[in-house]
Amino acid sequence: DSGVTQTPKHLITATGQRVTLRCSPRSGDLSVYWYQQSLDQGLQFLIQYYNGEERAKGNILERFSAQQFPDLHSELNLSSLELGDSALYFCASSVTTSGGFRNTQYFGPGTRLTVL
Amino acid sequence: TQLLEQSPQFLSIQEGENLTVYCNSSSVFSSLQWYRQEPGEGPVLLVTVVTGGEVKKLKRLTFQFGDARKDSSLHITAAQTGDTGLYLCAGVGSGGSNYKLTFGKGTLLTVNP
Repeated sequence: DSGVTQTPKHLITATGQRVTLRCSPRSGDLSVYWYQQSLDQGLQFLIQYYNGEERAKGNILERFSAQQFPDLHSELNLSSLELGDSALYFCASSVTTSGGFRNTQYFGPGTRLTVL
Repeated sequence: TQLLEQSPQFLSIQEGENLTVYCNSSSVFSSLQWYRQEPGEGPVLLVTVVTGGEVKKLKRLTFQFGDARKDSSLHITAAQTGDTGLYLCAGVGSGGSNYKLTFGKGTLLTVNP
């Protein structure tokens, strides 16, 4: 158990819909990262928040957005869903935002999104 | 764009055999990490290698970072069924992007009894 929690575990929805994925970081961690994992693309970095502020963006579509709340939990919002958005979505947390290899990211168990 | 290529993509072996998986890039990373991911779980960090030429051992697992910090290998001795999983390498960015992990697509290892 990494200490990072994600809900829901599974989500099935239809094309065109909007969903929200939730992540609670490990106690004491200020930084939250979102990743998407698919068979063809592998694990890809989407976006990072640190203490409520956006710090970095990766391969995140404009239809996707995220935020981190004062209690440090984070939500990833996916809208106008397409079949290709079906994937595993992981949240990770770390103590800080810098330090490279010293700043270990701990991954949650993921949310499996299926778009029909 | 920094890319990491992992090989082989799939590996199925018998318990007790040795194996090596590779992680290669044309880019230099400040460090490189190896993760193992089991079905229904998120990746779990196994090791971080930092210095070119560095070798780290974790029980039956041996990790090596290439001299030029562009490639790495993971060697497992006398594999066990519990080693089954998806092995991912991830390059850690440097400077202003040192938050960023760039993952390879992984090697799916199956160890048969």
